[in-house]
Amino acid sequence: AQSVTQLDSQVPVFEEAPVELRCNYSSSVSVYLFWYVQYPNQGLQLLLKYLSGSTLVKGINGFEAEFNKSQTSFHLRKPSVHISDTAEYFCAVSEAKTSYDKVIFGPGTSLSVIP
Amino acid sequence: EAGVAQSPRYKIIEKRQSVAFWCNPISGHATLYWYQQILGQGPKLLIQFQNNGVVDDSQLPKDRFSAERLKGVDSTLKIQPAKLEDSAVYLCASSSGSSSGGDTQYFGPGTRLTVL
Repeated sequence: AQSVTQLDSQVPVFEEAPVELRCNYSSSVSVYLFWYVQYPNQGLQLLLKYLSGSTLVKGINGFEAEFNKSQTSFHLRKPSVHISDTAEYFCAVSEAKTSYDKVIFGPGTSLSVIP
Repeated sequence: EAGVAQSPRYKIIEKRQSVAFWCNPISGHATLYWYQQILGQGPKLLIQFQNNGVVDDSQLPKDRFSAERLKGVDSTLKIQPAKLEDSAVYLCASSSGSSSGGDTQYFGPGTRLTVL
């Protein structure tokens, strides 16, 4: 069964600084990978996803992530963060080529942008 | 396009009482999910419907939780009787249910349940 690890539970970063949120997964088969963001008192929304093809995926709000199969990682990056990026970020995985999508979410990383 | 609707947004009950949550997915979405999100944790799948059939309910505590999706559209999740550990946010999501997989899930705002 697949699983997701987000090693950093909290990441404080100054405004306009770069940030990387780490995600590692385990699975014995091919996977689809996702990053979702949850702003305070809101539901989750998709930032970006990797299905196949180019390992560098670009998403909304200037975020990007790189799929590294050998390291089973899918780290999220942004070159310059804004106050509005303060939120909870969830990495998620589902196994490809199954009869239905079963998505497993990681525990989340709380990003706090400091003015 | 209207998003996923959930009600109520907040609910406070005593332990051993019952409670029900309602979800209306995005029109035309075949797949509907109910998640439980405990404070400080990621969402945990409780049950997943494909149209009006259940495809995964392996983590649903069936002695107290039940869910239905009549006519393959909206859905209700019920807890009876509630326990203190059921305090959480209950999220509903929907996706198009394409056969190729990797669908984007669209989430509602959630229902915050407090059990006293």
